[in-house]
Parts: sequence; structure tokens; C-alpha cells
Amino acid sequence: DTEVTQTPKHLVMGMTNKKSLKCEQHMGHRAMYWYKQKAKKPPELMFVYSYEKLSINESVPSRFSPECPNSSLLNLHLHALQPEDSALYLCASSQVLGTGEQYFGPGTRLTVT
Amino acid sequence: GNSVTQMEGPVTLSEEAFLTINCTYTATGYPSLFWYVQYPGEGLQLLLKATKADDKGSNKGFEATYRKETTSFHLEKGSVQVSDSAVYFCALSTLGNKLVFGAGTILRVKS
Repeated sequence: DTEVTQTPKHLVMGMTNKKSLKCEQHMGHRAMYWYKQKAKKPPELMFVYSYEKLSINESVPSRFSPECPNSSLLNLHLHALQPEDSALYLCASSQVLGTGEQYFGPGTRLTVT
Repeated sequence: GNSVTQMEGPVTLSEEAFLTINCTYTATGYPSLFWYVQYPGEGLQLLLKATKADDKGSNKGFEATYRKETTSFHLEKGSVQVSDSAVYFCALSTLGNKLVFGAGTILRVKS
């Protein structure tokens, strides 16, 4: 199984809502990533977990809160988002931290109204 | 710092044409190099990789050779298909560091 799954596929939320994005992989990978991708741009790294511990936070605003409950799951909790946070949110995993060979999920298309 | 420069798109080709997408890089140390592809409405997929100088990565008819002397990793395919229409990202990583992407090149193949 070389698949990374993400739910939901689409999400529309208001600026006062709280929602969560979910990501799952069963490849035994020990590093998991959240990226944000705007249209026609490359993905921008947000967070990295290595062995279920937060290793990298790329100065992301606190309205985004990551969580890694176990080695297969990664969540991104969203609260009080702004319209400019509308984007495609991609989850990825790799065997270990620092390898460029990453497996990406299909993404969650988020719209903040 | 590390960076990747790709040719700007969109690149528009007819089916069965030859494809080249240029990619050059700047890096400290000895990077690994990658091409990722993103089909419409999907996430990124690793297309091919090369981990040291003179390595050639290949997959699905695509090839790229790691050229240290010219700091390049150009993507080529001998005969493109409509199904190859996508965005192609060149990327690099150095040991323990994050993946650095180029800006992406849109490829459109017409039948």
C-alpha cells in the first residue's frame, strides 16, 4: 500500500468555524508533512513530524494547529481562518525525515468564506 | 541557500512531440534531485529521482540526468501524449533538509 489518504476532499468553512483535516498512511513512514499550495504555485511546507514529534514549524500562524496521534495519522486543526488561507492542503509522508522521496495525498481543497 | 529554477511555461506541444523542461539548481553539499508531477485535481507524484552526479532517473518514458558540472537536471520525453498534460516540479533535497521546489512548469499536449 503506497497510498496517502486525506479527508475531506473539499471543505468550505466560515472564519469563525473550527474544522480538522485528516491524513493517513500505512507505509510505515516515520515522517509526515503538511503543505499548503496556492493555485499555479509549488507546495509550501508548513509542518513536519518525525517519529510523531513536531520537528519543523515553518512559522505558521497559530490558527493552524497540527497533531500526530500516532505514526499513521496526521491532523491539521483549523480555527479562525482568513480568506487568504483558502488553498489546497497536501499531506505527505516519507520513510524518514529529510529524504526528498515523499508520497503525497490528493489534498483537501479548503475555501474560507 | 538551496534553490531550483525551472523554465517558465506553459509549454504547449502536439502529441508525439519531443519534450524538454529545463531545471537548474543551486545547493550546498550534494543534493538529491527529483521531478514531481501534478495532474489536474490531484496531489504530487514522484516521477523520477537521481541521488548522485551522472545518475539517470527514468520512469514512464521520462528521463533526467544529474549533471553536476552544469548544475542541471533537465526532464525529457521522446514522444508526449495528451495524458502527460500536467504541472511538472523540479525539486532538490540535501541530507536532513526539506524539499525545495522549483516554480513548476505547466505542460499542455494537444491531440
